[in-house]
Amino acid sequence: DAMVIQNPRYQVTQFGKPVTLSCSQTLNHNVMYWYQQKSSQAPKLLFHYYDKDFNNEADTPDNFQSRRPNTSFCFLDIRSPGLGDAAMYLCATSRGGDYITDTQYFGPGTRLTVL
Amino acid sequence: AQKITQTQPGMFVQEKEAVTLDCTYDTSDQSYGLFWYKQPSSGEMIFLIYQGSYDEQNATEGRYSLNFQKARKSANLVISASQLGDSAMYFCAMRAGGTSYGKLTFGQGTILTVHP
Repeated sequence: DAMVIQNPRYQVTQFGKPVTLSCSQTLNHNVMYWYQQKSSQAPKLLFHYYDKDFNNEADTPDNFQSRRPNTSFCFLDIRSPGLGDAAMYLCATSRGGDYITDTQYFGPGTRLTVL
Repeated sequence: AQKITQTQPGMFVQEKEAVTLDCTYDTSDQSYGLFWYKQPSSGEMIFLIYQGSYDEQNATEGRYSLNFQKARKSANLVISASQLGDSAMYFCAMRAGGTSYGKLTFGQGTILTVHP
């Protein structure tokens, strides 16, 4: 089945220790997104890649970076995690094209704990 | 700016009964898309149903249907014949012009609990 895969599902890191979260997709979609979701809140878009074009949301902290080495993979790097970065991180993909109808499909998420 | 409002923090329904989850939206754009997602406790966001602003028919996907009332700016999700596995958080979301590509505006979510 075509899908969005995130690894690991659970990640524990220490305050200030860099961490990388991984997302891969077999849908061959052009667009990949990273969201942050804190407890009992809606997901918040951090950035997205449309093909190789990187698009950062204005309010995304500099502490968050992303890489997309090829169509299938996208990584979220948190350079110096703080306690406030503990959250669920969701990766999503979409085909691209008409932005009104373009549906996003999400992975299972990575739950990040910062000690 | 776009806004999605889900006024029901929590809803309860008996198994096999139908339930309606409310969603109202606000946008000045004529062209927009409305989405519903289900998020079980495991965390994955599952796409349920889509309604475009120019669609004349209400969207349906299996047990899910969308009661789209454009003049009232509402896009309520109807789940028929509720199952225990429907217990989850449900998010209404919108995409319209004037935002960066890809940005979904989400509502606050409604927690649905299905009782046996």
